[in-house]
Amino acid sequence: AQKVTQAQTEISVVEKEDVTLDCVYETRDTTYYLFWYKQPPSGELVFLIRRNSFDEQNEISGRYSWNFQKSTSSFNFTITASQVVDSAVYFCALSEPGRRALTFGSGTRLQVQP
Amino acid sequence: DTGVSQDPRHKITKRGQNVTFRCDPISEHNRLYWYRQTLGQGPEFLTYFQNEAQLEKSRLLSDRFSAERPKGSFSTLEIQRTEQGDSAMYLCASSDQDSTDTQYFGPGTRLTVL
Repeated sequence: AQKVTQAQTEISVVEKEDVTLDCVYETRDTTYYLFWYKQPPSGELVFLIRRNSFDEQNEISGRYSWNFQKSTSSFNFTITASQVVDSAVYFCALSEPGRRALTFGSGTRLQVQP
Repeated sequence: DTGVSQDPRHKITKRGQNVTFRCDPISEHNRLYWYRQTLGQGPEFLTYFQNEAQLEKSRLLSDRFSAERPKGSFSTLEIQRTEQGDSAMYLCASSDQDSTDTQYFGPGTRLTVL
């Protein structure tokens, strides 16, 4: 069975600090997809990134970057120079081919203080 | 494209009543998903449609729950004889099988059962 663990329940930082959100996953498949979603206070899940298990290149998008390491089954998310608007709950998720369901972690609540 | 829309956004009902939620996916997305999210947890998969066919159902979907997507466009999720444990956010997502198949979520329907 697949599982996603986000051990950090809540993180609080001051604006402009860098912050890394951890995600560890378990799956028996060699092919799978990993995702990050953001859930601001409004409640809607916003898609951030989708990663194929065969692509271990790190990705950067503006202030966001993702570090995918198959050897440690981790897919960590870093926000550089955090801003108050980054305050939200962030979810890591996993899907396996042949199953459409996403398996989500329990989320990390990020609070960015001004 | 307009995003996924859900109606109503909030529903308060008394235990034992039936409720129905509607989801309108992104136009031309042929896959539609329902998830349930309780406080402090990540979303949990309930069911998935490809066009009008319901192809996968979670064990979470008890016999009091039924979902339909009659014309392969909008979907409804009905809960019969609601219980207090049904109180949650019900999220709908859609994806395009012919594209990246990334799931895009709607704003959710928050159900409170008194």
